[in-house]
Amino acid sequence: EIVLTQSPGTLSLSPGERATLSCRASQSVSSRYLAWYQQKPGQAPRLLICGASRRATGIPDRFSGSGSGTDFTLTISRLEPEDFAVYYCQQYGTSPPSLTFGGGTKVEIK
Amino acid sequence: EVQLEESGGDLVHPGGSLRLSCAASGFTFSDYYMDWVRQAPGKGLEWVGRIRNKANSFSTEYAASVKGRFTISRNDSKNFLYLEMNSLRTEDTSVYYCTRPPLGTYYYMDVWGKGTTVTVSS
Repeated sequence: EIVLTQSPGTLSLSPGERATLSCRASQSVSSRYLAWYQQKPGQAPRLLICGASRRATGIPDRFSGSGSGTDFTLTISRLEPEDFAVYYCQQYGTSPPSLTFGGGTKVEIK
Repeated sequence: EVQLEESGGDLVHPGGSLRLSCAASGFTFSDYYMDWVRQAPGKGLEWVGRIRNKANSFSTEYAASVKGRFTISRNDSKNFLYLEMNSLRTEDTSVYYCTRPPLGTYYYMDVWGKGTTVTVSS
């Protein structure tokens, strides 16, 4: 089973700053199987990025995803107040079919 | 509008059983795979399992942590998804989300319900 490790656990930044979140897989993951979600307190997660780099419908272009193999990155170019949340990466595994999530990165206001 | 609405969450004793429901609307439910994802208090997300559509024989997959105890089913005539949970443990305490992968791409979930809370405690 592929394990996803997200770092850092918490990122303390100010509005307007750039956020760089890492997701590292224990084995190589196909880019098309890698997604990112945002979750705010008391809310369900929301899909941000699929296929490692494709923004979901309605997601602002300050969010971008990149990476391949075992290393993936979510970048928020300029943090807006509504971006302070927890972010999860997720991968799809084929043998057996399953989905696994990283432990999450909390982006908090500094 | 595409919507998923979970219900059935409750307080249950260890060893007990519970059935969660998810009402789907705004899309052709029968075409889609459906998943359950859970989140323990203050913790991250954990995939619970999936049920495929009729074209794929309603086949199911489960996380190792729930296999043999949980069963996912669906009623396409009523647009409902279910999660039958047996032999519940304290570690099953979570918010349970009904989720939907997009058609033709089953690698992530693009629609989530608001969740229903299950508490397993004596």
